[in-house]
Amino acid sequence: DGGITQSPKYLFRKEGQNVTLSCEQNLNHDAMYWYRQDPGQGLRLIYYSQIVNDFQKGDIAEGYSVSREKKESFPLTVTSAQKNPTAFYLCASSIAAGGGYTFGSGTRLTVV
Amino acid sequence: AQSVTQLGSHVSVSEGALVLLRCNYSSSVPPYLFWYVQYPNQGLQLLLKYTTGATLVKGINGFEAEFKKSETSFHLTKPSAHMSDAAEYFCAGDNSGGSNYKLTFGKGTLLTVNP
Repeated sequence: DGGITQSPKYLFRKEGQNVTLSCEQNLNHDAMYWYRQDPGQGLRLIYYSQIVNDFQKGDIAEGYSVSREKKESFPLTVTSAQKNPTAFYLCASSIAAGGGYTFGSGTRLTVV
Repeated sequence: AQSVTQLGSHVSVSEGALVLLRCNYSSSVPPYLFWYVQYPNQGLQLLLKYTTGATLVKGINGFEAEFKKSETSFHLTKPSAHMSDAAEYFCAGDNSGGSNYKLTFGKGTLLTVNP
């Protein structure tokens, strides 16, 4: 079955370390997105990519980086510059306008 | 720019009661509209969507929503709440028309179902 996979489900890192969250989809979707979710704050867009080798900053891109070398993959790196990285991170993909998003199951990152 | 507003960050109902979650959008162009549900520590799952055609849209788990252009609303309803409906619900809209496709999400409404 087609879907979008995020790994790992839970991730623990020490303060000051960079960490990369994986997002893979086999839906043949062109666009992919990363959101951050904190309690009571809804979904906040970090980065998005409409096509391979191209991506745009979202509303809260500072302290994060992405790459889109393959259509299927859109990894997110949380760098040491991100002041408060502990959060739930969601990856999504979409095919076109009107189709909505398909979401992964999320990665909960805890920085200690 | 389009915005999506969900009225009420927390709604509490009794089991068997009507569920009504409110969503309004602001846009000069009727958008595509979506409702998603999120259970704890999970991703968002599509409940239903409105693109064109019939304004009353039926989704999964007995939910439905009606697109009302005159009221710029897309409220989500379910006639009888079940304990398993307890979750967070997000309304989203898109009127990008193609390129630079990106949804605008509401802040979410947490639904509590009391026995």
